[in-house]
Amino acid sequence: DAGVIQSPRHEVTEMGQEVTLRCKPISGHDYLFWYRQTMMRGLELLIYFNNNVPIDDSGMPEDRFSAKMPNASFSTLKIQPSEPRDSAVYFCASSLGQGQTQYFGPGTRLLVL
Amino acid sequence: GQSLEQPSEVTAVEGAIVQINCTYQTSGFYGLSWYQQHDGGAPTFLSYNGLDGLEETGRFSSFLSRSDSYGYLLLQELQMKDSASYFCAVGSNTPLVFGKGTRLSVIA
Repeated sequence: DAGVIQSPRHEVTEMGQEVTLRCKPISGHDYLFWYRQTMMRGLELLIYFNNNVPIDDSGMPEDRFSAKMPNASFSTLKIQPSEPRDSAVYFCASSLGQGQTQYFGPGTRLLVL
Repeated sequence: GQSLEQPSEVTAVEGAIVQINCTYQTSGFYGLSWYQQHDGGAPTFLSYNGLDGLEETGRFSSFLSRSDSYGYLLLQELQMKDSASYFCAVGSNTPLVFGKGTRLSVIA
C-alpha cells in the first residue's frame, strides 16, 4: 500500500485566499483524522471521520475551517478565508479503529502571508 | 478527560541507552503507542503495548504497566539518526490522545 497520501506538500498563499488540502487514506481504513501541528500548540486533532461521516469536529478552530469526506478514499480540509495564524503543518492520518494505531501522511506545510 | 505527561527534552550520547517515560490518565484504556517524528517529517508508528510488559523491536523496546498508568520507550545503541521527537499516545474508546512529545538529541 502507498500509505496515506496528502497534497499539496507545500502551500504558500496570501491572507484571505481559500486553501484546500487533500488526503487519500490507506485503503480499508475506516477512520480518517486531520491534525494541525505548530511549535506552540503541538499536535492538535481538528476533526475525524468514521466511514466518511464526521464524528467530532470540536477541534476545528473556527468556522473558517471545514472538512469533507465524500467517499472512502478522499477527504478535504478547507480554510476560507485563510489567515497568517493558520500557518502550520497539517497532517492527515487513518486507522482501522478509533483508538488503534494511526498512520500519518507526509503533511502539508502551509504558510499564509 | 485524558492526559499524558512526558519529558520535553532528553540528551544522550551516541552508543548509550536512553529511556523516555510516559504517564497517562484515561478511561477505557486500550493501549499505549509510541511515535517518532524527525524534523520536517511526519509522525511514524514505532511500537504498541496493549498488555503489561516489554515489547522489543530491534534497538527499540517499549514497556507498559497498566496498574501504574505508566510506560516507557527504551532506545539502545543510540545513533545520531535517532535524534527526533518521540510521542506517546493513549488509545481508548476515543481517538488516540498524543503527548506533547520528547525531543531527543543524540550527541557524539
